[in-house]
Amino acid sequence: DAKTTQPPSMDCAEGRAANLPCNHSTISGNEYVYWYRQIHSQGPQYIIHGLKNNETNEMASLIITEDRKSSTLILPHATLRDTAVYYCIVSASDFYSGGSNYKLTFGKGTLLTVNP
Amino acid sequence: DVKVTQSSRYLVKRTGEKVFLECVQDMDHENMFWYRQDPGLGLRLIYFSYDVKMKEKGDIPEGYSVSREKKERFSLILESASTNQTSMYLCASSLSDRVGDYGYTFGSGTRLTVV
Repeated sequence: DAKTTQPPSMDCAEGRAANLPCNHSTISGNEYVYWYRQIHSQGPQYIIHGLKNNETNEMASLIITEDRKSSTLILPHATLRDTAVYYCIVSASDFYSGGSNYKLTFGKGTLLTVNP
Repeated sequence: DVKVTQSSRYLVKRTGEKVFLECVQDMDHENMFWYRQDPGLGLRLIYFSYDVKMKEKGDIPEGYSVSREKKERFSLILESASTNQTSMYLCASSLSDRVGDYGYTFGSGTRLTVV
């Protein structure tokens, strides 16, 4: 069963912010929101993750709504090299019991095309 | 940087052959995973392992087995390759005691063609 809903594709102009939405209306209290991306012919790359607070790193920002039912990944200044499929994933990660509960299920993601 | 290395980038095998796909990671990660990726179906989890000699089935384990004799190495085995196993295979690893801090690190993938 799909836990997240993402648009199949989006376009963005180079240099502008790319805002990628994700709906996860059935998210549980212990589930994190993860974002990965996959550039053509490469393995997926971790971008960012969060539980309920907004997060920022050198790659992107993650905005999670107060009810946690949706989130937005923001690439502040998109470049042509950001063209990729972006995956939003929700998953419980049990810090104390370790890896047996920690696996990610990838959906079909959003193909972001950054145009010159 | 964590490196996840898959032994082959491209592989062509015949139907019925036994196929080994090797994956090695160099950062002492507890967890390792095998996915396959097909057009229109996305990434699907085949098997994963959270410790040496431990393995758990993912969503599509049929036709596959795995081996984890050492912490750094996780092998995917196709006992008798079939054409419907033609796919891109991706290996990943992660830490379990710092879950989520760094996420998964994926290898570059092995594109397997079974003829």
